[in-house]
Amino acid sequence: DAGVIQSPRHEVTEMGQEVTLRCKPISGHNSLFWYRQTMMRGLELLIYFNNNVPIDDSGMPEDRFSAKMPNASFSTLKIQPSEPRDSAVYFCASRYGQHEQYFGPGTRLTVT
Amino acid sequence: AQSVAQPEDQVNVAEGNPLTVKCTYSVSGNPYLFWYVQYPNRGLQFLLKYITGDNLVKGSYGFEAEFNKSQTSFHLKKPSALVSDSALYFCAVRDDSGGGADGLTFGKGTHLIIQP
Repeated sequence: DAGVIQSPRHEVTEMGQEVTLRCKPISGHNSLFWYRQTMMRGLELLIYFNNNVPIDDSGMPEDRFSAKMPNASFSTLKIQPSEPRDSAVYFCASRYGQHEQYFGPGTRLTVT
Repeated sequence: AQSVAQPEDQVNVAEGNPLTVKCTYSVSGNPYLFWYVQYPNRGLQFLLKYITGDNLVKGSYGFEAEFNKSQTSFHLKKPSALVSDSALYFCAVRDDSGGGADGLTFGKGTHLIIQP
């Protein structure tokens, strides 16, 4: 298995632009998680899905952030409009049942 | 609310010596506990987990961790450190009580540096 796939690996954009991050979970996994990692705040859970349904989005920082999972093999995290404080590494992770989560390589976002 | 504390920002160990990376947790129900490792510019890799059963859990790359319920700790250990073990280590917890709290809460991470 290729593991969790994220794209792009790096994104540099200007403040105010829309950013879309993509994730393909491991085939057969039924839960998907989006995390953000920064030096100041560490790893934070943003949102997670069970069977494509959003369960807990309490970690989404504000309305500029949105996430979708249209099917079991694809999810997006969108930031519109982006701000410099959104600069971070965004990780997607997937899980089967109650087992451990497996993380993708991350997307390093820089907003100038 | 659940939380994880990793009291050491950095741990330095000589190669060949035993290592310990500390972790304490707080949950309202029973804990599911995890250790992950992160190498520079990489995602997190799963090392080991405690769900139930034996308090001593063995994982990847010779690592093990001991669950101590009375001390609410889950310290990561390895009998003999390798230079290649140098990385950032994260402890994480999840509450088994359900109610939607299904995501992991991570500690701040501990930099492990193994000196040749």
